[in-house]
Amino acid sequence: AQSVSQHNHHVILSEAASLELGCNYSYGGTVNLFWYVQYPGQHLQLLLKYFSGDPLVKGIKGFEAEFIKSKFSFNLRKPSVQWSDTAEYFCAVRRDNYGQNFVFGPGTRLSVLP
Amino acid sequence: KAGVTQTPRYLIKTRGQQVTLSCSPISGHRSVSWYQQTPGQGLQFLFEYFSETQRNKGNFPGRFSGRQFSNSRSEMNVSTLELGDSALYLCASSRGGGSNQPQHFGDGTRLSIL
Repeated sequence: AQSVSQHNHHVILSEAASLELGCNYSYGGTVNLFWYVQYPGQHLQLLLKYFSGDPLVKGIKGFEAEFIKSKFSFNLRKPSVQWSDTAEYFCAVRRDNYGQNFVFGPGTRLSVLP
Repeated sequence: KAGVTQTPRYLIKTRGQQVTLSCSPISGHRSVSWYQQTPGQGLQFLFEYFSETQRNKGNFPGRFSGRQFSNSRSEMNVSTLELGDSALYLCASSRGGGSNQPQHFGDGTRLSIL
């Protein structure tokens, strides 16, 4: 079965530090990749997505992610985090076949200290 | 454009009861998916409906069922509630059948079983 893993359960950073959250998936075929963010008390929001083309994708709020096919990875990055980035981040994968459901990673909680 | 609307926001039930949750997708979206979110398990996929047909089903017991109406609104039903069903139930909609369509999430229904 397809699975998605996220390297860290909880990451704590100070403001202005750089961020990298790891995401790996197990499926070897063509996939569509997503990062979602859930701010405290809010619904899940799409940060960015990758379907094809340039493996470095840019999303909202200064986030970017790089798809490395050989490593089955889709890591999320941000050069300088802010206190307002405190949230839970979920990586999601959907196989590129009709009728395939999303598979979400377990999430990484990010706490940014002011 | 209105987002995904889930009702009710909170529910308290007792063991053995049954419950129905409702989801209104974004206008024009034909796919609706349901997830169970718990602190320990993350987002677990329940099922997906597209054009009134169940397209995908996760690994949940038959007590969990759903349906989709012609206007794309969806309902999820859980019968014979158990303590372990306490969770946040999320609904997500997407435009169509393409696997590269991102999902847009509602605020969820928080179900507590006493």
